[in-house]
Amino acid sequence: DVKVTQSSRYLVKRTGEKVFLECVQDMDHENMFWYRQDPGLGLRLIYFSYDVKMKEKGDIPEGYSVSREKKERFSLILESASTNQTSMYLCATRTDRVEQYFGPGTRLTVT
Amino acid sequence: SQQGEEDPQALSIQEGENATMNCSYKTSINNLQWYRQNSGRGLVHLILIRSNEREKHSGRLRVTLDTSKKSSSLLITASRAADTASYFCATEGQAGTALIFGKGTTLSVSS
Repeated sequence: DVKVTQSSRYLVKRTGEKVFLECVQDMDHENMFWYRQDPGLGLRLIYFSYDVKMKEKGDIPEGYSVSREKKERFSLILESASTNQTSMYLCATRTDRVEQYFGPGTRLTVT
Repeated sequence: SQQGEEDPQALSIQEGENATMNCSYKTSINNLQWYRQNSGRGLVHLILIRSNEREKHSGRLRVTLDTSKKSSSLLITASRAADTASYFCATEGQAGTALIFGKGTTLSVSS
C-alpha cells in the first residue's frame, strides 16, 4: 500500500512565523503535490513537483515556497505565516496518468 | 483555476436509496477521477474513467463520462450510512498536468 505521511495533523502558529509542512511518501512516485482546502472552495493547488529539485507553481503559490531535495520528501514553506493561510493542507503523490494518493492532511491555524 | 464543478453541493438521502452526483468541466481531458473524503481526512481515490470510455463500474459505484457535454456522473447504489462523505471529481488535462479538483458534493446518508 502507498503511504503518504504528513508531519503534523494539527498545527498552531503565530502570525509572522516561518512554517514548515513536511510530506513523505514511500512509493518512489515522481510527482508530488501540495493543496489547500477551504470550505466552499474545494482543493486548490499550491505547488507541485515532478522530480527532485523541480517545482511548478499551481493556482495559488503566493505566500508559499516548496523544497524537494529528495524524491520521497516534499516540503511546503510559509515564509511568514498570515491568518489567511489558516487552512487544511493536503499532500499527494502519483505516478504518471494514474490516481493520486493523499496524506491525512495538516490543519494549520495561524493566530 | 477550478476545472470541475460538482452538482449538487449537498445531498441528503436515506439508506438504501441511490445517490447521483454530477461533475462538469471546461477543457479537454485525458481522464476524470472521483475521490471521497471522510470528515477532516485525506482524499481516497474511488474510480478513474478515461476519455475514450463512456461508463465504468466498481462495486456499488457507476461512473459515466460524456466528453461531448464535458460532464460526468457518479452513481452510488444502495447507499449506506458509511457512504456519508464528501465526493470530488478531478480532471487531468491532455498535457498531463496536475489534477484539478472541483468543490465537491457533500453526501449525507441517514439510517
